[in-house]
Amino acid sequence: DTGVSQDPRHKITKRGQNVTFRCDPISEHNRLYWYRQTLGQGPEFLTYFQNEAQLEKSRLLSDRFSAERPKGSFSTLEIQRTEQGDSAMYLCASSSSGSLNNEQFFGPGTRLTVL
Amino acid sequence: AQSVTQLDSQVPVFEEAPVELRCNYSSSVSVYLFWYVQYPNQGLQLLLKYLSGSTLVKGINGFEAEFNKSQTSFHLRKPSVHISDTAEYFCAARQAYGQNFVFGPGTRLSVLP
Repeated sequence: DTGVSQDPRHKITKRGQNVTFRCDPISEHNRLYWYRQTLGQGPEFLTYFQNEAQLEKSRLLSDRFSAERPKGSFSTLEIQRTEQGDSAMYLCASSSSGSLNNEQFFGPGTRLTVL
Repeated sequence: AQSVTQLDSQVPVFEEAPVELRCNYSSSVSVYLFWYVQYPNQGLQLLLKYLSGSTLVKGINGFEAEFNKSQTSFHLRKPSVHISDTAEYFCAARQAYGQNFVFGPGTRLSVLP
């Protein structure tokens, strides 16, 4: 399967703990995006990479959130000192800058529950 | 700034009936428009997209949408729905020269037997 994969699919943690999620994009895609989706809402943009460079970050991405894409392939999203409000589905998407319409392909998401 | 509105949070419809899911957008610049479907516990799957050209676009699973610039709408339609179409549907917009998608809040389509 050459689609976008995310790990883990589910994460339950206690408030105050740190969590890290991983996203593996489609291999030939150089752009990678993180979104957050809360219950009953559409996905909200968090951040975007082109290769290893983080080119844009949303105001939603507080100081407790950090994302990396060190080798321009997989990416990690870390949340420090988790809060109950961080409970959401975290979606990753990838696309190719060579694609005219920049179609983004989404992974299955990581569902985070903060107790 | 751009925004996407989906006025119907839930749409129940009987199997084999037609359905229309409404989407309106606002943007000061040219946008690309998309419809995605999300089945339970899965990621988003692209149904169709409008980039330019013909205002009527056809997608997968028998869905189609029509871009109406004057009404700033991009409504999704299907002439005959199946039980398997039960899912959450998201309309999204992206500026023609931008990277970020702006999603609507979603419409939950429930197809009843």
